[in-house]
Amino acid sequence: GQQLNQSPQSMFIQEGEDVSMNCTSSSIFNTWLWYKQEPGEGPVLLIALYKAGELTSNGRLTAQFGITRKDSFLNISASIPSDVGIYFCAGLPNTNAGKSTFGDGTTLTVKP
Amino acid sequence: EPEVTQTPSHQVTQMGQEVILRCVPISNHLYFYWYRQILGQKVEFLVSFYNNEISEKSEIFDDQFSVERPDGSNFTLKIRSTKLEDSAMYFCASSETTLSTGFYGYTFGSGTRLTVV
Repeated sequence: GQQLNQSPQSMFIQEGEDVSMNCTSSSIFNTWLWYKQEPGEGPVLLIALYKAGELTSNGRLTAQFGITRKDSFLNISASIPSDVGIYFCAGLPNTNAGKSTFGDGTTLTVKP
Repeated sequence: EPEVTQTPSHQVTQMGQEVILRCVPISNHLYFYWYRQILGQKVEFLVSFYNNEISEKSEIFDDQFSVERPDGSNFTLKIRSTKLEDSAMYFCASSETTLSTGFYGYTFGSGTRLTVV
């Protein structure tokens, strides 16, 4: 099956710092999604990307769909303590919106 | 804001027993999904469901699993003859459209933690 490599696996940063994480794949994806998951909760959609090269922002979050369709990154600017959680990328192939492949997640810890 | 509701939040079952996990998707959504997340691991796709039938399933979704939409609001995942390795969080999700008509991401429920003992 398709594999997504998400990095870094974890990050420990100071409040106010910027954060960057990315996902790469050997396969092409038609859509990239970025989710945040907090303990005991389901993933919550942050940003959806639909076109190669697309750059989309959601508040302090910015994500880009790589032009090769094989990668995506998520940036968080001026981090705050409530940014703590696990961030997952997910890629969807051309044919079906359901069969998404998730990355292993990036665990973000923000120190006040 | 509309949400996907899952019950129960936690289920403990004996190995070999059957369990049914329940979900109420968002009312105007037409596509439904089940995902699994083993503790500390990534989210894994199990199955997608549209128009009262399975549209796609993963290798994990074998004959031990089945899904059903018994009425206009519920969407269930049945796991027969549970094994220890079935212990995981099971997330239901729904979406309004698929890629062919426009897709805006899945809305996930809060999950059911299944513990097989």
